[in-house]
Amino acid sequence: SAVISQKPSRDICQRGTSLTIQCQVDSQVTMMFWYRQQPGQSLTLIATANQGSEATYESGFVIDKFPISRPNLTFSTLTVSNMSPEDSSIYLCSGRDSQGYTFGSGTRLTVV
Amino acid sequence: AQSVAQPEDQVNVAEGNPLTVKCTYSVSGNPYLFWYVQYPNRGLQFLLKYITGDNLVKGSYGFEAEFNKSQTSFHLKKPSALVSDSALYFCAVRDSTGGGNKLTFGTGTQLKVEL
Repeated sequence: SAVISQKPSRDICQRGTSLTIQCQVDSQVTMMFWYRQQPGQSLTLIATANQGSEATYESGFVIDKFPISRPNLTFSTLTVSNMSPEDSSIYLCSGRDSQGYTFGSGTRLTVV
Repeated sequence: AQSVAQPEDQVNVAEGNPLTVKCTYSVSGNPYLFWYVQYPNRGLQFLLKYITGDNLVKGSYGFEAEFNKSQTSFHLKKPSALVSDSALYFCAVRDSTGGGNKLTFGTGTQLKVEL
């Protein structure tokens, strides 16, 4: 199945700034997703990244805070905007192909 | 709506003993079920999945899971645990009907295998 490269792996950011996380897939995937995970806890879906159109956000997540791009079938970005300490978390991207769902290695974000 | 329950936050087992990590699910249609493992500071690694066919699914690293439709369960098992199996395990479900593609994850079960 597909392999996803996610970067950065970790970052420490100042509150009020923004961070963009990138995911590159080594093959085309039909769907891409972005999750948030508190360490040791479950994954919460932020949004489904749609190629060439606006992402579909889950309840509690909005585009202004988490803008997402997906210009093609192998690449997507998630931006965490105007960050606050509450945004400190692990962010994971995922891709779905015919074999199933693959995950990036995650971005550990700390907002200070 | 689809949901997954992992009733145990932590499972402790001695090395060499069999292990079971429990998972139950709820979907409107037929379920697609998955198990993933997460090691510290790593992403999720795929272990196995059930789509259709045999109820006993064999996966990576000697793990297997049994789909039980009447009990709506998909418990993860391994005949002989290793210390290196210690990690966080997630069960996930996707409803095969309704056009949805999203996975819903359980809360995770921390497996600790001790010498």
